[in-house]
Amino acid sequence: GENVEQHPSTLSVQEGDSAVIKCTYSDSASNYFPWYKQELGKRPQLIIDIRSNVGEKKDQRIAVTLNKTAKHFSLHITETQPEDSAVYFCAAVSSGNTGKLIFGQGTTLQVKP
Amino acid sequence: DAGITQSPRHKVTETGTPVTLRCHQTENHRYMYWYRQDPGHGLRLIHYSYGVKDTDKGEVSDGYSVSRSKTEDFLLTLESATSSQTSVYFCALGPTGNYGYTFGSGTRLTVV
Repeated sequence: GENVEQHPSTLSVQEGDSAVIKCTYSDSASNYFPWYKQELGKRPQLIIDIRSNVGEKKDQRIAVTLNKTAKHFSLHITETQPEDSAVYFCAAVSSGNTGKLIFGQGTTLQVKP
Repeated sequence: DAGITQSPRHKVTETGTPVTLRCHQTENHRYMYWYRQDPGHGLRLIHYSYGVKDTDKGEVSDGYSVSRSKTEDFLLTLESATSSQTSVYFCALGPTGNYGYTFGSGTRLTVV
């Protein structure tokens, strides 16, 4: 079945440094790749997403890249701030009519002041 | 938030008892999903619905059943709760026309 692998599971960076989280997916029919941020005790919140017809998307300090051939996509956070500390999840959706969202295992990002 | 409400927010129940969690939406979304979240596993799909009375299994459906008798309500039932079902349960709506998915606030279930 569909599978999404996410690495690393934990990431610690100094404030101002960049952070990169990587995901691979198994379903070649996947066409939508969102990233979620989840703070402690809260619901996952969409921070950025990318569709299969685009290779890169940027929103201020956050960017996502997609390599469909290799079936992997990455989240890049530049100039990290302490408030970026959270758990980040990647996900993939297949083009089928069920719209199932399959998540990676999550990355706990810690930004040290 | 986006008209999605989960109830209850917290529940403690005993092993072997039935439990029903409710997801209610006011957005008239066709698709609804139930996920469970456990440390080290991310969010795993339990069941989903693509319309009234149309449901299907996700990757961790054993021990769970669902029902959707009307568009706005998607119920998740643990027929006989076990300690391994202690988790945080999230309901989600989507995709919208822009492929966005919205999550409810979650239900923290503890089975003792």
